[in-house]
Amino acid sequence: DIQMTQSPSTLTASVGDRVTITCRASQSISGWLAWYQQKPGKAPKLLIYKASHLASGVPSRFSGSGSGTDFTLTISSLQPDDFATYYCQHYNNYVFTFGPGTKVDIK
Amino acid sequence: QLQLQESGPGLVKPSETLSLTCSVSGDSIRSNYFWGWIRQAPGKGLEWIGSIYYSGSKYYSPSLKSRVTVSVDTSKNQFSLRLSSVTAADTAIYYCARHVWGYSSPGFHFDSWGQGTLVTVSS
Repeated sequence: DIQMTQSPSTLTASVGDRVTITCRASQSISGWLAWYQQKPGKAPKLLIYKASHLASGVPSRFSGSGSGTDFTLTISSLQPDDFATYYCQHYNNYVFTFGPGTKVDIK
Repeated sequence: QLQLQESGPGLVKPSETLSLTCSVSGDSIRSNYFWGWIRQAPGKGLEWIGSIYYSGSKYYSPSLKSRVTVSVDTSKNQFSLRLSSVTAADTAIYYCARHVWGYSSPGFHFDSWGQGTLVTVSS
């Protein structure tokens, strides 16, 4: 089975900061990687699909990149609405796996 | 506008079967999407449970496969989850979601989610 890890597990940042979250697979994977944002008490929201494609309605400050085993979610200028937990999700061989999450806290 | 709404008992006894239904509005369950279930234990991460296509094609998480059944009712525009022999470890918020599935779709991800429903397993 392919295992997904995320780093860091928690990130403390200020409004306006550039933030990067990494999702790493235990072996090289295809680009079928998605990113979600989840706020407390709410359902996850799709941000990025197919590693780098911005979902409909998602602000352009969010971007995704990567290939092989390492993928990143970047927020170019952190906004107050962006403090949340972020999850990556991978597809392989009819199985969908989420990463453990990265919590973005206010400094 | 697509909406998904989970419904079902909020409390299930250990060893019994958890049953939830997801009602879909704003889209036909016969559209070119899978429909999936994901859960989140309190304070924990997300876990995919299983997904189904309106024609009946279904796929389950290997770790839950022996206990999970997902079904679809096209006449009601609903799909359902049954999880048997539940234990306290099955206590979680259960989400239903529209599941993009296909190399030409493109992608393999969940693009719309219900608000989730908390199911507690306790006697």
